Amino acid sequence: EVQLVESGGGLVKPGGSLRLSCAASGFTFTNVWMSWVRQAPGKGLEWVGRIISKAGGGTTDYAAPVKGRFTISRDDSKTTLYLQMNSLETEDTAVYYCATHRSEGTFDTWGQGTLVTVSS
Amino acid sequence: DIQMTQSPSSLSASVGDRVTITCQASQDINNYLNWYQEKPGKAPKLLIYDASNLKTGVPSRFSGSGSGTDFSFTISSLQPEDIATYSCQQYGNLPYTFGRGTKLEIK
Repeated sequence: EVQLVESGGGLVKPGGSLRLSCAASGFTFTNVWMSWVRQAPGKGLEWVGRIISKAGGGTTDYAAPVKGRFTISRDDSKTTLYLQMNSLETEDTAVYYCATHRSEGTFDTWGQGTLVTVSS
Repeated sequence: DIQMTQSPSSLSASVGDRVTITCQASQDINNYLNWYQEKPGKAPKLLIYDASNLKTGVPSRFSGSGSGTDFSFTISSLQPEDIATYSCQQYGNLPYTFGRGTKLEIK
């Protein structure tokens, strides 16, 4: 069974940093593109960024609001996806989900999410 | 960025009703359109991919259609377990963008 479990969320002050993890199991993690998607309170889903499989080049792409502040990485040996978030802003408050890609832009399986609250 | 205009934002219907949600893209996205179901505290679920393909295991009462800029999502006979928020998402261009969601309630 494909499973994604996010962790690392919590309360952080504006300007602070946080690293989220997404532990994957039940599929060949190495071959799969992965994304982070977030949902702010009362708002719709917002794509954060993606990382392509190493075989595909391992490159990353980001949404404009987080580019330069957030970094996505993966450790295929640990089947874990990461989201390093720096210079956090109150607008980054959201539930953060990791998701597998079925195809280039289709999110096939999602984790249950981890809540990040940015507040002083 | 491609804007996804989804309507209605909320919908109240009776069990057994046919329910349709629409999504309009701000530019041509071919059939690069997906539909997701969201329930509070649960992982979002992919229901329809590439505009009209039903994901394996998803009940056949769910369907999708459209191409270009105009898309629709239909539940042919609403069931109590379908109470959720439904969102469209395009992947014609980066960044991937979502509609604002349709909250479905039972009348």
